[in-house]
Amino acid sequence: DQQVKQNSPSLSVQEGRISILNCDYTNSMFDYFLWYKKYPAEGPTFLISISSIKDKNEDGRFTVFLNKSAKHLSLHIVPSQPGDSAVYFCAAPGTSYDKVIFGPGTSLSVIP
Amino acid sequence: EAQVTQNPRYLITVTGKKLTVTCSQNMNHEYMSWYRQDPGLGLRQIYYSMNVEVTDKGDVPEGYKVSRKEKRNFPLILESPSPNQTSLYFCASSRPQGQTGNSPLHFGNGTRLTVT
Repeated sequence: DQQVKQNSPSLSVQEGRISILNCDYTNSMFDYFLWYKKYPAEGPTFLISISSIKDKNEDGRFTVFLNKSAKHLSLHIVPSQPGDSAVYFCAAPGTSYDKVIFGPGTSLSVIP
Repeated sequence: EAQVTQNPRYLITVTGKKLTVTCSQNMNHEYMSWYRQDPGLGLRQIYYSMNVEVTDKGDVPEGYKVSRKEKRNFPLILESPSPNQTSLYFCASSRPQGQTGNSPLHFGNGTRLTVT
């Protein structure tokens, strides 16, 4: 049973528009969430995170929103650039904090 | 340069032939972990280590072994590989996950393993 879900395997967006990547989780005890970005032939790299005490965290073109009541978070990329084309993973530390649980990923394609 | 180094990048082997994938980090991180990535399943944790000589099972540990004799190294051992272990493997390290689990993981570039 996946505790972190990303229901859209892929997303295609025009350059300059907004990309919205969604993530749902099942365990209400999760209190920290991270997004990682992965290019082909490379390992994932940390992108942005959010604590459950916040509902928004912004870093440049990237903003993550957290809706605790809906157990949902989303990553917004504005404006989208071709270099943002990658697989994006949503992740949450397990309740024992020694495991990190990843979603299946969403492949974003930004079309020039 | 801070990095996690995995070797080899590509490996093709046959069923039952023992192999080791090495992982080394130069950031003095306490926490290290191995993941496998499979289509539609994301990254699943195999084993992790909180510090030297401290290891524990992740979600998919069957068929794998690890050791943590030194802080910088965390090798993944497949004593009798099988075709269902064909996958893309990633090693990662971080500062202690602590009480909030908010230490971002630093990943190696992956090892693509094929077991025939």
